[in-house]
Amino acid sequence: TQLLEQSPQFLSIQEGENLTVYCNSSSVFSSLQWYRQEPGEGPVLLVTVVTGGEVKKLKRLTFQFGDARKDSSLHITAAQPGDTGLYLCAGARFGNEKLTFGTGTRLTIIP
Amino acid sequence: NAGVMQNPRHLVRRRGQEARLRCSPMKGHSHVYWYRQLPEEGLKFMVYLQKENIIDESGMPKERFSAEFPKEGPSILRIQQVVRGDSAAYFCASSPGAGTYNEQFFGPGTRLTVL
Repeated sequence: TQLLEQSPQFLSIQEGENLTVYCNSSSVFSSLQWYRQEPGEGPVLLVTVVTGGEVKKLKRLTFQFGDARKDSSLHITAAQPGDTGLYLCAGARFGNEKLTFGTGTRLTIIP
Repeated sequence: NAGVMQNPRHLVRRRGQEARLRCSPMKGHSHVYWYRQLPEEGLKFMVYLQKENIIDESGMPKERFSAEFPKEGPSILRIQQVVRGDSAAYFCASSPGAGTYNEQFFGPGTRLTVL
């Protein structure tokens, strides 16, 4: 059973458009992290959200943690080809150090 | 400040051989995690170690797999008598420890191919 479901699984959009990626679960997490992974490389940490309802902005990226700490979203404004990659959410549960990774969203930005 | 280092980046083994994967955590980090990414699948937790201690090995197969993080030197993930199903990318991550919201920083991975 996959604890974290991401949607959409694949997304291909034109440069300059906006997009939102979702990460949903029926479980509560103490923190949630978003990573981007490029082919042949390890995941790179983008952001960590820890408070229900929290919103964090990183340039054109906006991350939100759900009020109930069960879901999160990543919104990208004016997407650029450099945003292309595999986006992964990962949650940590209270009292447990290991991360549970989502199913991933493979994003392609078309110039 | 160097990030998490893993070596080798690529490893080819024949069935029945042993594979040793090394991970040096970021400077100042005392917690190490190993994850496996099978082709077309997500990252799955294997084991969590602190210096000289295995804290959680719930994701690691009971047979043929072992991990250590000695007082000195890198963490080692060892796979004995490899089989084709062990072919995957193995990632190591490190974190500073308690009070850091479990932020984990990943290395570039070791891609194991079993012939």
